[in-house]
Amino acid sequence: DAKTTQPNSMESNEEEPVHLPCNHSTISGTDYIHWYRQLPSQGPEYVIHGLTSNVNNRMASLAIAEDRKSSTLILHRATLRDAAVYYCILRVNAGGTSYGKLTFGQGTILTVHP
Amino acid sequence: NAGVTQTPKFQVLKTGQSMTLQCAQDMNHEYMSWYRQDPGMGLRLIHYSVGAGITDQGEVPNGYNVSRSTTEDFPLRLLSAAPSQTSVYFCASSRIQGFQPQHFGDGTRLSIL
Repeated sequence: DAKTTQPNSMESNEEEPVHLPCNHSTISGTDYIHWYRQLPSQGPEYVIHGLTSNVNNRMASLAIAEDRKSSTLILHRATLRDAAVYYCILRVNAGGTSYGKLTFGQGTILTVHP
Repeated sequence: NAGVTQTPKFQVLKTGQSMTLQCAQDMNHEYMSWYRQDPGMGLRLIHYSVGAGITDQGEVPNGYNVSRSTTEDFPLRLLSAAPSQTSVYFCASSRIQGFQPQHFGDGTRLSIL
């Protein structure tokens, strides 16, 4: 299975943008890039996903490199509530169904300073 | 909309005791799964199910049993608890078709003495 590499921790100030990097140099052509985050004492929460093109939703943006070997999760204005562990996950395209298992690494611990 | 509900939230067991962790979802999701999370680590998949009557093993299935008699419920059974099973357990569910996001419960914190 293709693996992801993320920095162990990052820090940001409130209301500033945050760029969380993820390397996945062995990604296959049909693997989707998913991001989840886990707030303290809660279960993981879906953030965003993409295949090739950059994606935006109400929570964040996902920028995917042209060669797909890396991606960046962008939080446009960090808030204290964004302090969490962020996981970059590759979802295997299991044919017509997508119940490919989520393989969690250790993720990036994001600290947001007031 | 309750989403994914896990009970109990906390539990302390003695070695050798058995118990069932409950997971229920009200979103009519076909796919359900159980993960465990040990301190400082990411989640690891224990068992999963793609529909009623269908279950399969994940990465760390030993010591755990599951069954799926209804779409809504996916209980996880510890037959003879061991201290190594002290962990936080998360249940998740999702639709199968397309890359639908998985919805997680808030977890069950289990300590085995």
